Amino acid sequence: DAGVTQSPTHLIKTRGQQVTLRCSPISGHKSVSWYQQVLGQGPQFIFQYYEKEERGRGNFPDRFSARQFPNYSSELNVNALLLGDSALYLCASSPLRGLLDSPLHFGNGTRLTVT
Amino acid sequence: KNEVEQSPQNLTAQEGEFITINCSYSVGISALHWLQQHPGGGIVSLFMLSSGKKKHGRLIATINIQEKHSSLHITASHPRDSAVYICAALNFGNEKLTFGTGTRLTIIP
Repeated sequence: DAGVTQSPTHLIKTRGQQVTLRCSPISGHKSVSWYQQVLGQGPQFIFQYYEKEERGRGNFPDRFSARQFPNYSSELNVNALLLGDSALYLCASSPLRGLLDSPLHFGNGTRLTVT
Repeated sequence: KNEVEQSPQNLTAQEGEFITINCSYSVGISALHWLQQHPGGGIVSLFMLSSGKKKHGRLIATINIQEKHSSLHITASHPRDSAVYICAALNFGNEKLTFGTGTRLTIIP
């Protein structure tokens, strides 16, 4: 079975632009979560979606938004990009809503560079 | 002060050495994850534990809920174990993951 796939793998954008990142979960997984990892730091939670509804949100500004589609794939959108948005964006999927009983499966991430 | 702290930040050891990476957390948790991140970014889940001890091959993870502390041990370390190891606490109640900043492990042949 294919793992979690993210696209694109790398992206360069200019300040003020908008970006859309995509994530396809493992087949059968209904929960997708997004994380931002700035160089040299641990990941930070952005969003969790389960059954197409937002189930959790981290401390990120409204410029960050996401959605989950009927096939459980997900998009993360970031508007009005800032230099500080440069990071590795990770997507993880799990079969259940709760993370207590199911391990996380991560994609390889999208590396976003804002110039 | 971060809610999840790891030590050491960097660790270099010779092949074959016994490795210990520590994780302390200040929040109430439901479970704790240990993750491995290789250069390029991909993350692999190693363990999820809420009590006691788990073992998989040369890797052992322990957690002490009362002391809010977890350790990851690697026996007979090998250069292929070189990676960043991250602990992540699953917050009790809201089930949000809070990550440590990671420990960069380098095993020298």
